[in-house]
Amino acid sequence: DGGITQSPKYLFRKEGQNVTLSCEQNLNHDAMYWYRQDPGQGLRLIYYSQIVNDFQKGDIAEGYSVSREKKESFPLTVTSAQKNPTAFYLCASSIDPSAAQETQYFGPGTRLLVL
Amino acid sequence: SQQGEEDPQALSIQEGENATMNCSYKTSINNLQWYRQNSGRGLVHLILIRSNEREKHSGRLRVTLDTSKKSSSLLITASRAADTASYFCATDAIGSNYQLIWGAGTKLIIKP
Repeated sequence: DGGITQSPKYLFRKEGQNVTLSCEQNLNHDAMYWYRQDPGQGLRLIYYSQIVNDFQKGDIAEGYSVSREKKESFPLTVTSAQKNPTAFYLCASSIDPSAAQETQYFGPGTRLLVL
Repeated sequence: SQQGEEDPQALSIQEGENATMNCSYKTSINNLQWYRQNSGRGLVHLILIRSNEREKHSGRLRVTLDTSKKSSSLLITASRAADTASYFCATDAIGSNYQLIWGAGTKLIIKP
């Protein structure tokens, strides 16, 4: 099966803790994205990567970090600096960087909750 | 930054009726896309319409684009219970550096 997987489905974070959300794709897509979705709102871009070993900040990058060591993987770390991390996190990919404005394919999401 | 705005925010109709959702945006675009999101799930791409197109069809979906009014509409004909979901428009504003800009969505409920 081709697609994007995200894990875990639910994640609980304690005060001051860093947590990492996993995103893996086997679509051979160059570009990958992390979005945050809050209730009743649209998606806001956290980070995106157009190619391995390169990534760019989106609109709300503060308190988050990413890496792109492999084409298939784009993990997101929510650091303790992110004071309001409770949200639904969505990972997406697209065929190539210039196709970012074309179709994006989404994973099932990770819901992050603060204890 | 949020460019697209969908209306209505919520829509509840009877199964079999048609559902129309609208999206307005602020700056010039290359294309506009519509996505569906079932509750607590990821988004699924429905249809893409380019700035030089006025109307596009896909199965029971019809999308129109009016670049002079900076607006788009999504029509779902003969609605089914399985169409219950949130629907989002996304635009690639010219000069947006490969980013899609998303609206807040319309929540559609189909009553059996």
